[in-house]
Amino acid sequence: DAGITQSPRHKVTETGTPVTLRCHQTENHRYMYWYRQDPGHGLRLIHYSYGVKDTDKGEVSDGYSVSRSKTEDFLLTLESATSSQTSVYFCAISEGGGREDYGYTFGSGTRLTVV
Amino acid sequence: SQKIEQNSEALNIQEGKTATLTCNYTNYSPAYLQWYRQDPGRGPVFLLLIRENEKEKRKERLKVTFDTTLKQSLFHITASQPADSATYLCALDMSGGFKTIFGAGTRLFVKA
Repeated sequence: DAGITQSPRHKVTETGTPVTLRCHQTENHRYMYWYRQDPGHGLRLIHYSYGVKDTDKGEVSDGYSVSRSKTEDFLLTLESATSSQTSVYFCAISEGGGREDYGYTFGSGTRLTVV
Repeated sequence: SQKIEQNSEALNIQEGKTATLTCNYTNYSPAYLQWYRQDPGRGPVFLLLIRENEKEKRKERLKVTFDTTLKQSLFHITASQPADSATYLCALDMSGGFKTIFGAGTRLFVKA
């Protein structure tokens, strides 16, 4: 999607290993978000950032940490991956926190499988 | 906590008809409500945002209504086409912050 890229697109990892997912934006938007999407649950917020080095927890933050050292990059780290963290992870960006008339812009997602 | 309810059953309609999708929420009325489209293997794409003081909003063949008394939003696609087949997500703001929660979505199939 224009202006936002996620890497990697697919990853298979073993239980107990650390994993870092990257979200990169070229829109200079203030807000960045990490969601996970699972069947029957929809998108659930993991963490979000409202500026460089400013982050906060979402509804499913246990087992995840984030960092934002630059406006354009928002990293999601699974400290010790578990099978319950197998999911599709989406990054989203927003200039006004989702209150503007153009909503969020989402990346294409990262499909993570923990075996 | 706020919950969003969207019909988990797929909606099947004939091409040319109007598709109507429902989004219900349970607690406080959000300041704004959004609708997104998601195709398989892709991220959601923003369609429309409606604010609490707006009753209705339109964009081309799309119409969204927002009834804070019923705690409900309706999403309409008029003159539906097979290309409209996708999952449609409802989203609303979480009280007190710049965060948004999403419903699980309703799958729409438009038959030619």
